[in-house]
Amino acid sequence: AQSVAQPEDQVNVAEGNPLTVKCTYSVSGNPYLFWYVQYPNRGLQFLLKYITGDNLVKGSYGFEAEFNKSQTSFHLKKPSALVSDSALYFCAVRDMNSGYSTLTFGKGTMLLVSP
Amino acid sequence: EAGVAQSPRYKIIEKRQSVAFWCNPISGHATLYWYQQILGQGPKLLIQFQNNGVVDDSQLPKDRFSAERLKGVDSTLKIQPAKLEDSAVYLCASSEDRAYEQYFGPGTRLTVT
Repeated sequence: AQSVAQPEDQVNVAEGNPLTVKCTYSVSGNPYLFWYVQYPNRGLQFLLKYITGDNLVKGSYGFEAEFNKSQTSFHLKKPSALVSDSALYFCAVRDMNSGYSTLTFGKGTMLLVSP
Repeated sequence: EAGVAQSPRYKIIEKRQSVAFWCNPISGHATLYWYQQILGQGPKLLIQFQNNGVVDDSQLPKDRFSAERLKGVDSTLKIQPAKLEDSAVYLCASSEDRAYEQYFGPGTRLTVT
């Protein structure tokens, strides 16, 4: 079975500082990895994905994520946080070697960026 | 490009009543998903369609939930009868194919009293 762990319920960072939201995963095959963001009363918005290739993936709004196969991690990062980045962030994984495997989401990490 | 549309946005019903949600995916997207998101948790897949066929409904409570995707486009999700524990946000998503990123609608917030 595949799973995702987001060990932090909440991450607090000051505006202008770098941010990291952690994600580790477990799949039997090779992973597809995704990050989504959810603003209040809104659906999830796609930020970025890792399929194959370069371990550093760049996405929307200045976010990036680093795939680390040996640590089975896919942490979300941004060099300089904005107050408007405050939202709920979800990491998700699917097994690319399993035909119609579903996307499994973590429980989410609330990011709070203070002015 | 228009996004995924869902209606209604909010619904309040009493337990044992029935309710239906509607979803219109992004044009051309073959794969459609329904998720249940309970407060404080990540979305949980209920059912996945590829065109108008079901490819995964393993987590759908089939005694009370049903879903269909007519002509491979719009989809409806029904709950009958509703229970208190069905209170959640129901999200619809679509993707070009199963391997691609999913695009989510705004969701329907269901409250069962």
